[in-house]
Amino acid sequence: SQQGEEDPQALSIQEGENATMNCSYKTSINNLQWYRQNSGRGLVHLILIRSNEREKHSGRLRVTLDTSKKSSSLLITASRAADTASYFCAADYNFNKFYFGSGTKLNVKP
Amino acid sequence: DAGVTQSPTHLIKTRGQHVTLRCSPISGHKSVSWYQQVLGQGPQFIFQYYEKEERGRGNFPDRFSARQFPNYSSELNVNALLLGDSALYLCASSLGGNTEAFFGQGTRLTVV
Repeated sequence: SQQGEEDPQALSIQEGENATMNCSYKTSINNLQWYRQNSGRGLVHLILIRSNEREKHSGRLRVTLDTSKKSSSLLITASRAADTASYFCAADYNFNKFYFGSGTKLNVKP
Repeated sequence: DAGVTQSPTHLIKTRGQHVTLRCSPISGHKSVSWYQQVLGQGPQFIFQYYEKEERGRGNFPDRFSARQFPNYSSELNVNALLLGDSALYLCASSLGGNTEAFFGQGTRLTVV
């Protein structure tokens, strides 16, 4: 069973707009990692945020973590058609064992 | 540097057969984990190995087994295949602990 949830399940935006995805989890964690998946292939690592961090940036990505609410958000700024993919959060609950949500499907229209 | 490599890429098996999936971690990574991703869902944890010892097992039947070799590569074995075992099987490697985990491209298993 899934121990995490992403919201929304699907998101469709125009190129250049920002995309925000939210993630909730159910247990205490060491860190939370975000991944991108294209067409059902492998997961591409985007960013890691540790439980003692509140915000992290990497290029056009901004991630926040609220451990009191057991939630995280991923913001992609100035989106591009190439950002079209499914995005997953992975909650590391024990030595790199992850709970995944069911993902957010992002469609960026050119 | 090579990333996590998995073989084969695709596999078609018949119900009741056995399958072995292979994973080579990133050089220097001693932790290897296996996940099953059914179409339309997020990955689910199957096994984790660190320094050749099992560190965790998810909620999967005993038909699933795995091992890690001295060079830290790993195999996932599934016996008595069922139609419901059709999925993308993902391998992840990491240094262990509170670090990034990197995934391979996966093995797409189809059971007919």
